[in-house]
Amino acid sequence: EVQLVESGGGLVQPGGSLRLSCAASGFTFRSHAMNWVRQAPGKGLEWVSAISGGGDNTYYADSVKGRFTISRDNSKNTLFLQMNSLRAEDTALYYCAKVRSSFETDGMDVWGQGTTVTVSS
Amino acid sequence: SYVLTQPPSVSVAPGKTATITCGGNNIGSLSVHWYQQRPGQAPVLAIYYDSGRPSGIPERFSGSNSGNTATLTISRVEAGDEADYYCQVWDSSSDHRVFGGGTKLTVL
Repeated sequence: EVQLVESGGGLVQPGGSLRLSCAASGFTFRSHAMNWVRQAPGKGLEWVSAISGGGDNTYYADSVKGRFTISRDNSKNTLFLQMNSLRAEDTALYYCAKVRSSFETDGMDVWGQGTTVTVSS
Repeated sequence: SYVLTQPPSVSVAPGKTATITCGGNNIGSLSVHWYQQRPGQAPVLAIYYDSGRPSGIPERFSGSNSGNTATLTISRVEAGDEADYYCQVWDSSSDHRVFGGGTKLTVL
């Protein structure tokens, strides 16, 4: 069974840091680009970041560029999102999502259940 | 940055056809993906590359894309189709994934 399981969310003060993880199973992890997508309470989906299968190419939304870093460990089938200088507006449910094919622009066909990040003093 | 515009809500009676639009500048030159998100659940890919249908998605779901509008069509709507629907493209000029604001489909 193809599965993504996020972890690492929690309550953090403004300016603080968190590292999210996404454990993948049931597919050839290194062959697929991966994404982080977030959803603030009661709001729509917002793309956060993407990384190619080999990890060579990374992409960021303007709202997080310079503060967040996406990475992956293909030996451990795990995706990461290092989040620094967190702001209240980063409060959201964070999903990791697998791209359907080897093309980074393809649709995202498998999603985790998400991990909640709350930035508040 | 590229902007996708969706109507906030669409209502349809059971058994009828629902049409959800996604507007963008020359969106017909881009590839559009659609996601369904039921309340309290993670999104599900409903349509990829304008009109492709992943396994497990009913044939009642179809997509098209031309000019400045992409369209998700759901035929013979059922109560279980009630959800939020999001269109999404890859903006190659910025290397960003872009989501529309989402459309809440209500089955009357």
